[in-house]
Amino acid sequence: DAGVIQSPRHEVTEMGQEVTLRCKPISGHDYLFWYRQTMMRGLELLIYFNNNVPIDDSGMPEDRFSAKMPNASFSTLKIQPSEPRDSAVYFCASSPNLAGRTGELFFGEGSRLTVL
Amino acid sequence: AQSVSQHNHHVILSEAASLELGCNYSYGGTVNLFWYVQYPGQHLQLLLKYFSGDPLVKGIKGFEAEFIKSKFSFNLRKPSVQWSDTAEYFCAVNGDNQGGKLIFGQGTELSVKP
Repeated sequence: DAGVIQSPRHEVTEMGQEVTLRCKPISGHDYLFWYRQTMMRGLELLIYFNNNVPIDDSGMPEDRFSAKMPNASFSTLKIQPSEPRDSAVYFCASSPNLAGRTGELFFGEGSRLTVL
Repeated sequence: AQSVSQHNHHVILSEAASLELGCNYSYGGTVNLFWYVQYPGQHLQLLLKYFSGDPLVKGIKGFEAEFIKSKFSFNLRKPSVQWSDTAEYFCAVNGDNQGGKLIFGQGTELSVKP
């Protein structure tokens, strides 16, 4: 398996622009997670899906952030409009749903976002 | 609310020194426990995991961790570190009734001097 695939790996944009980050989870995994990593806040869970349905989006910072999972093999995280404080590394991760063995995440390489 | 606390933010060791990184969690139910490692510039990789059974679990690269239920702890250990162990280490907890949700600690940066 190719693992979790994220794109783009690096994105530099200007404040106010729309940013779309993409993720392809590992085939057969029921859970998909979006995390954000910064020096100040560490690793924050933004949102996660189970079987394409958003389960917990309490970590989404504000309405400028939105995430979708239209099918089992694709998810997007969108920021519109972007701000400099959104600069971070955004990780997508997926996980199988195995009774009693949940929580083992497989991470993508991350998308490093810089908003100028 | 479920939380994970890692006591050390930055640890500096010389090669061959022994390592122990502390991790405590707060959750009243059954937990699955994990340590992840992030090498400089890379994504998080699983180091070891505990679901049930023997509370002393062994992971890759000579790492091990011990689950002490009474102390709500899952400390990471390695008898002799190498320069290549320089990385950031994250403890994480998945509680029962939490679905697949994983809560991470703040991370501990380990620097190993050659």
